Amino acid sequence: DTGVSQDPRHKITKRGQNVTFRCDPISEHNRLYWYRQTLGQGPEFLTYFQNEAQLEKSRLLSDRFSAERPKGSFSTLEIQRTEQGDSAMYLCATTQGVGSPLHFGNGTRLTVT
Amino acid sequence: DQQVKQNSPSLSVQEGRISILNCDYTNSMFDYFLWYKKYPAEGPTFLISISSIKDKNEDGRFTVFLNKSAKHLSLHIVPSQPGDSAVYFCAASDGSGGSNYKLTFGKGTLLTVNP
Repeated sequence: DTGVSQDPRHKITKRGQNVTFRCDPISEHNRLYWYRQTLGQGPEFLTYFQNEAQLEKSRLLSDRFSAERPKGSFSTLEIQRTEQGDSAMYLCATTQGVGSPLHFGNGTRLTVT
Repeated sequence: DQQVKQNSPSLSVQEGRISILNCDYTNSMFDYFLWYKKYPAEGPTFLISISSIKDKNEDGRFTVFLNKSAKHLSLHIVPSQPGDSAVYFCAASDGSGGSNYKLTFGKGTLLTVNP
């Protein structure tokens, strides 16, 4: 499967714990996005990388959230001191660039108990 | 403030008939629009897009219509098939970072196609 890969698919954690998600993009896709989707809502933009540079962060991304994309390949999204409100599906999407659609992974479903 | 609105949470149609999914937007800076389909436990899958310089784009059974003056777009699926049953998301971009930059999504419409 050469699509966008996300790991893990599901994560259950207790409030206050740290979690980290990984996204492996489609090869040669230089743009990578993180979105969050809660129940009954559409995906909401969190942050965006072009190669290794993080170019924009949404106000939804509090200081407990950090994303990296070392060497412009895979990306990680870390949430520190998780809260119940962080429970959501975290989606990664990548694209070759202008004129090409976003290709989404199957997401990581986070449940904070 | 919901900048992209899909006012119908669900739609049910018979196999072989036309499905029409609607989407309204409020941000006049949006200039690129996309439709995504989502099955349970999967990520959204790109279906079709349209630039604001066009009013129609067609790809097989899927056609998207854009009415800029009304800030309205619609997705037509003809003929509808049971495999089309999924949640459909309308998304928009202001193009400032590229045509697919920072998409704003609607809440989705659940389409059910009955055999």
